[in-house]
Amino acid sequence: SAVISQKPSRDICQRGTSLTIQCQVDSQVTMMFWYRQQPGQSLTLIATANQGSEATYESGFVIDKFPISRPNLTFSTLTVSNMSPEDSSIYLCSVGGGRGNTEAFFGQGTRLTVV
Amino acid sequence: KNEVEQSPQNLTAQEGEFITINCSYSVGISALHWLQQHPGGGIVSLFMLSSGKKKHGRLIATINIQEKHSSLHITASHPRDSAVYICAVDQGAQKLVFGQGTRLTINP
Repeated sequence: SAVISQKPSRDICQRGTSLTIQCQVDSQVTMMFWYRQQPGQSLTLIATANQGSEATYESGFVIDKFPISRPNLTFSTLTVSNMSPEDSSIYLCSVGGGRGNTEAFFGQGTRLTVV
Repeated sequence: KNEVEQSPQNLTAQEGEFITINCSYSVGISALHWLQQHPGGGIVSLFMLSSGKKKHGRLIATINIQEKHSSLHITASHPRDSAVYICAVDQGAQKLVFGQGTRLTINP
C-alpha cells in the first residue's frame, strides 16, 4: 500500500495568481498522476510525472499552465498558474492503478476556489 | 458515449437498505477499481478486481468480464456510507479511465 500526503487541502486564491500543490508518498514510486475534478464531474488526468524526465501531459493540458516537478521518487508538485475562476476544482495526486496489477492510491485532494 | 458508464447517478436510500451501484464499460480491461470519495475530496480505494467477486465487510464487488459489467453492493447501509462511488477501469496502460460517479445518500 501507499500513503500520500497532499497539501494544501483547500485554498481560495485571487485570479492571476499561482498555487503549488505538493504530494509526498511514503514509498518510492516510478509514476505519479495528477488529476483535476471539476465540480460535478469525474476525474480528468492532467499529466503523468516521472522522476528524472519531463511530465507527460494529456490533451488539453500544457506545461505553461500546469508545470510539474518530480525531484525524487517520493515527491511531486503541481502548480496551477495564472489562475482564473475556471480553474476552481479539486486537484488530486495518485499512484498505482495501472498495468492491471496495482491498487490505486490517492492524496486527500486540494479543493481550489479562484475568485 | 463514455467508455465507463455508471448507474444510477444519484441514489438516496434509508439506513439499513441494500444498495447496488452498477458500472458498464465498453473497452477491454485488465482490472476494474471501485473508489469512494468523501465530501472533502479525498479518494479511497475499495476494490480492485479482474474476475469474480470480492467482499470487505459490508461491501461486495462483482465483475462479469464477458458482459463488461461490475456491481458494487452495500449491505445494511449506514449514513456514514454516504459518499460518491467511482468505477474506474484499467486497460493495461498506465492510466485509469473513470466513470462519472454515483452520489449515494443514506438517510437515518
